[in-house]
Amino acid sequence: KQEVTQIPAALSVPEGENLVLNCSFTDSAIYNLQWFRQDPGKGLTSLLLIQSSQREQTSGRLNASLDKSSGRSTLYIAASQPGDSATYLCAVAQGNTPLVFGKGTRLSVIA
Amino acid sequence: EAGVTQSPTHLIKTRGQQATLRCSPISGHTSVYWYQQALGLGLQFLLWYDEGEERNRGNFPPRFSGRQFPNYSSELNVNALELEDSALYLCASSRGLAGVYEQYFGPGTRLTVT
Repeated sequence: KQEVTQIPAALSVPEGENLVLNCSFTDSAIYNLQWFRQDPGKGLTSLLLIQSSQREQTSGRLNASLDKSSGRSTLYIAASQPGDSATYLCAVAQGNTPLVFGKGTRLSVIA
Repeated sequence: EAGVTQSPTHLIKTRGQQATLRCSPISGHTSVYWYQQALGLGLQFLLWYDEGEERNRGNFPPRFSGRQFPNYSSELNVNALELEDSALYLCASSRGLAGVYEQYFGPGTRLTVT
């Protein structure tokens, strides 16, 4: 059974700092991995999707990497801003099973 | 292109009642997924519908059920509501196979059971 773990559970950083969020998964037979952002009480916004054949994806200040063999992904956020404050969720997809989510990292960027 | 929509935004029910939640997928998407996000438990997969058929089901009791209509919209029904059913229910849609195509999420329905 696939399990997804995100570390740390919460993170507080000053504005402008670069930061890394970690995600690990137990079964490396995945189709893809997605990073989402969730604001309090809201739905999910997809940030980046990495196919299993890819090593990384970039969008603006965000860069996500994938090491499938070791079961790890990282989300790098450059020059953090207060507007980046949210919960970041990692999820993996396998065949006919829907996404399996981690419990998220709650990020606070202090101005 | 309109995103995934869900209704109602908020729903308040009494224990033992039934709740019906609705989801409209993105145009062209045939798959609809339902997830429950209860406080402290993270996102848990509930149901997956594709082309009108139930394709997969999470570890939830039978009182959680649903259906997908010919226009690919979907309904989630929760019977005999219990206090622990209070949660944010998220719907997502995709073009097809869950593991291959990206899922897009709606804003959610907040269900409160008193």
